[in-house]
Amino acid sequence: DSGVTQTPKHLITATGQRVTLRCSPRSEDLSVYWYQQSLDQGLQFLIHYYNGEERAKGNILERFSAQQFPDLHSELNLSSLELGDSALYFCASSLTDGGTDTQYFGPGTRLTVL
Amino acid sequence: AQSVTQPDIHITVSEGASLELRCNYSYGATPYLFWYVQSPGQGLQLLLKYFSGDTLVQGIKGFEAEFKRSQSSFNLRKPSVHWSDAAEYFCAVGASGGSYIPTFGRGTSLIVHP
Repeated sequence: DSGVTQTPKHLITATGQRVTLRCSPRSEDLSVYWYQQSLDQGLQFLIHYYNGEERAKGNILERFSAQQFPDLHSELNLSSLELGDSALYFCASSLTDGGTDTQYFGPGTRLTVL
Repeated sequence: AQSVTQPDIHITVSEGASLELRCNYSYGATPYLFWYVQSPGQGLQLLLKYFSGDTLVQGIKGFEAEFKRSQSSFNLRKPSVHWSDAAEYFCAVGASGGSYIPTFGRGTSLIVHP
C-alpha cells in the first residue's frame, strides 16, 4: 500500500459525458501527478501540481483539466469523453516538486467509455 | 526532448535464473533514471533510481541497475528471479533541469516459469 488513494476504482460511462477522478496523496506529500495508461499510448504524463499550483503539463488534452485543493487532494476532470479516453488513470504523489523525489503511485481508476 | 526505449516487450525466464531487462534512453544532459514495477491490477512501485554518483544502483527486492553513459543505457538486473517477480517493468527518464516531466518506456512484461 503506497498511501495514495484513488476513487473510484472503476468507472463506466458513455461518450460525450463528463467524469471526475479523485486522488488523495500521502499525508506528507505536496506534489500530485496524473498519468494515463493505455495499450496504444503506454504510460503518459498528464499534469503535475505542487502545493496547489500547476507545475508542469504533459500530453493532456484540452478536454481534460485538473486541480489541487488546499487540503492537497486532487481531481482530474475529463469531459466530452471519447472511446479513446478509455484507459487506466494513475495519480502519484511525492514530497516536494523535485525531479529526484520518489513518486508513490495510487492503484488507479479504470475508465471505460462506451 | 527525452525518450526511452525498452527493446523487449516480453521476457521469459525460469525461476532461479538471472535476469537483465534492457533500457536505452535519449537525453542531452545527465538524466534522472528510474525503474518501476507494476503488478497486475496495481499501480507502479519504484524499484530504484539514479541521479549521480556511483553508476551501479541498488534497489528493493534484490534488483540493481547500471548506468552506462557511453551506451545510453540503464539496464535492470537480478541474479536470481522469483516467481513473484512476474510483472510489468518500466524504465523512465526525467529531465535533470527545469520542469520535471518523466517519460516512460513501453514496458517489458516478465514471465517466470517454475
